[in-house]
Amino acid sequence: NAGVTQTPKFQVLKTGQSMTLQCAQDMNHEYMSWYRQDPGMGLRLIHYSVGAGITDQGEVPNGYNVSRSTTEDFPLRLLSAAPSQTSVYFCASSSLLGSSETQYFGPGTRLLVL
Amino acid sequence: KQEVTQIPAALSVPEGENLVLNCSFTDSAIYNLQWFRQDPGKGLTSLLLIQSSQREQTSGRLNASLDKSSGRSTLYIAASQPGDSATYLCAMSGGLMEYGNKLVFGAGTILRVKS
Repeated sequence: NAGVTQTPKFQVLKTGQSMTLQCAQDMNHEYMSWYRQDPGMGLRLIHYSVGAGITDQGEVPNGYNVSRSTTEDFPLRLLSAAPSQTSVYFCASSSLLGSSETQYFGPGTRLLVL
Repeated sequence: KQEVTQIPAALSVPEGENLVLNCSFTDSAIYNLQWFRQDPGKGLTSLLLIQSSQREQTSGRLNASLDKSSGRSTLYIAASQPGDSATYLCAMSGGLMEYGNKLVFGAGTILRVKS
């Protein structure tokens, strides 16, 4: 049981490049989400999904796309990277049973956009 | 819109001291409140989860309380140890028509316990 895994751990991009941050979980969780963490601002929700084929926007969705084709995977795509997207990105998952479920976080991806 | 504030932003204490971390929120219509621990360069680990119908939760040396009427939560750490040094984050979820899983985070308190 690996929990929530994220790849890569670290990435450097040039402005305008695209990339996909990978997230996978092996706990059969319905709910998955992406957050970004910036200094002094805590974590902010980018996108989330309540099941395969269902996604929705969070607080800061601009510049990011997501899809959910399987229960296990929830990739985050940057179509044209900008320096403002330099951040640490965390993926999280939880069960949707009830409304009070502990969320499990991945180790994060550090992204630097030059 | 839910806003979460954590005070203090940083705290340094000698080993063995009891300490309290504070978290305040603006919207009392919450589903639950979670406290997380984050070690440098690592992900978040859930410490305690308090449901909206509860007032506190305890795990070992940790006790978290929730007062919805005043919009406050506290994390109490007893007999602090150097291994407790980390960033502590509180997060709210809920509000009317919101999934209980969507979290709103505070900026965190950086704790250093000196040996």
